[in-house]
Amino acid sequence: DAKTTQPNSMESNEEEPVHLPCNHSTISGTDYIHWYRQLPSQGPEYVIHGLTSNVNNRMASLAIAEDRKSSTLILHRATLRDAAVYYCILRGYQGGSEKLVFGKGTKLTVNP
Amino acid sequence: GAVVSQHPSRVICKSGTSVKIECRSLDFQATTMFWYRQFPKQSLMLMATSNEGSKATYEQGVEKDKFLINHASLTLSTLTVTSAHPEDSSFYICSAPGQIMNTEAFFGQGTRLTVV
Repeated sequence: DAKTTQPNSMESNEEEPVHLPCNHSTISGTDYIHWYRQLPSQGPEYVIHGLTSNVNNRMASLAIAEDRKSSTLILHRATLRDAAVYYCILRGYQGGSEKLVFGKGTKLTVNP
Repeated sequence: GAVVSQHPSRVICKSGTSVKIECRSLDFQATTMFWYRQFPKQSLMLMATSNEGSKATYEQGVEKDKFLINHASLTLSTLTVTSAHPEDSSFYICSAPGQIMNTEAFFGQGTRLTVV
């Protein structure tokens, strides 16, 4: 079962920042928080990941709550190419083996 | 960066036939690979985890005799849909996680299977 909860959809305007939230209240101490995005008819694409500290890369920033029960993916200036379904995933071990289980994700629409 | 190549990208087959989908890690060794199925407008559903040199682990409700998974080498995992039916039509995606948790997982491009 997915261990993350995200809004079904969000909308943004081009060149404006976007904050995509994710709740993961049952996160364990060793779970990493990963974000991927998927365009139609394509495999998911890696965006960013982190454990406890906030992370930045060329695509986005990841803000992780102090208690790690939630996180926010930040796209600083949305472009039309950022329109996709964004998935927040906890990467860790379940019962001794690793699983990568997807939740329902957030469909981001970017308006020109 | 590391790449996972999935083949074919799309396939059409007749009911009752079998279809094999290949997933290759191109520049790293993958002891584990994940197989997903995705129906239109839905999320990815984990079907099974393939493990190099041992039997795959299937998720609850996934028929292991229908979806045969083989992980014969550190760079290749295959999913064979046996005796395909129209309800098996879907988008199938493989993934190879980085060797440690603090790395990204890599995904194939996906295979669009249509059973007619």
